[in-house]
Amino acid sequence: EVQLKESGPGLVQPSQTLSLTCTVSGFSLTDYSVHWVRQPPGKGLEWMGVMWSGGSTAYNSALKSRLSISRDTSKSQVFLKMNSLQTEDTAIYYCTRSTGITPDYWGQGVMVTVSS
Amino acid sequence: DVVMTQTPVSMSVSLGGQVSISCRSSQSLVHNNGNTYLSWYIQKPSQSPQLLIYKVSNRFSGISDRFSGSGSGTDFTLKISRVEPDDLGVYYCGQGTQYPLTFGSGTKLEIK
Repeated sequence: EVQLKESGPGLVQPSQTLSLTCTVSGFSLTDYSVHWVRQPPGKGLEWMGVMWSGGSTAYNSALKSRLSISRDTSKSQVFLKMNSLQTEDTAIYYCTRSTGITPDYWGQGVMVTVSS
Repeated sequence: DVVMTQTPVSMSVSLGGQVSISCRSSQSLVHNNGNTYLSWYIQKPSQSPQLLIYKVSNRFSGISDRFSGSGSGTDFTLKISRVEPDDLGVYYCGQGTQYPLTFGSGTKLEIK
């Protein structure tokens, strides 16, 4: 069974760095890519970036200067780090798998609130 | 960035009825490889998005044939027939032809 699960702090202070982990099971990170997508409360979906199965990354240019995605294939984990958080970064953060380009299976999401 | 425009913003339908949701892109979604990376998702209340349709008209694993996708270039449609209570939620179209991947703002489907 394909599963993805996000984990990380629920609360981050402004200007601090967000670190999230996506732990996957039921597939290999060397066969499938993993994207990060976020959703502010009551709003739509914003694609943040992707760890391709081959190990390269691509980022949304709007976030590129603050965002880093990495992985540990031995632990089946993909990591997101984003610095200089502001209140507008408050959102549910999802990791999602893709075969090729289209995200298919999604994690349950983790709510991150940026507040002092 | 490719802007995805969905209409209507919300709609109400009777059980057993049929609905169509439109999605238009600001640029052609035909990739250099000939594929068109237009997908549809449903986000049920308090849940994460679920893939319904990929590459315009292909149903994802386990998706009912009540859901069908069509279109080409910049103009796409999702049709839901014989609407059931479990179909309520917000429907999003999304494109993967160009970076960054982008999504429409959503169509909320309510059941009368």
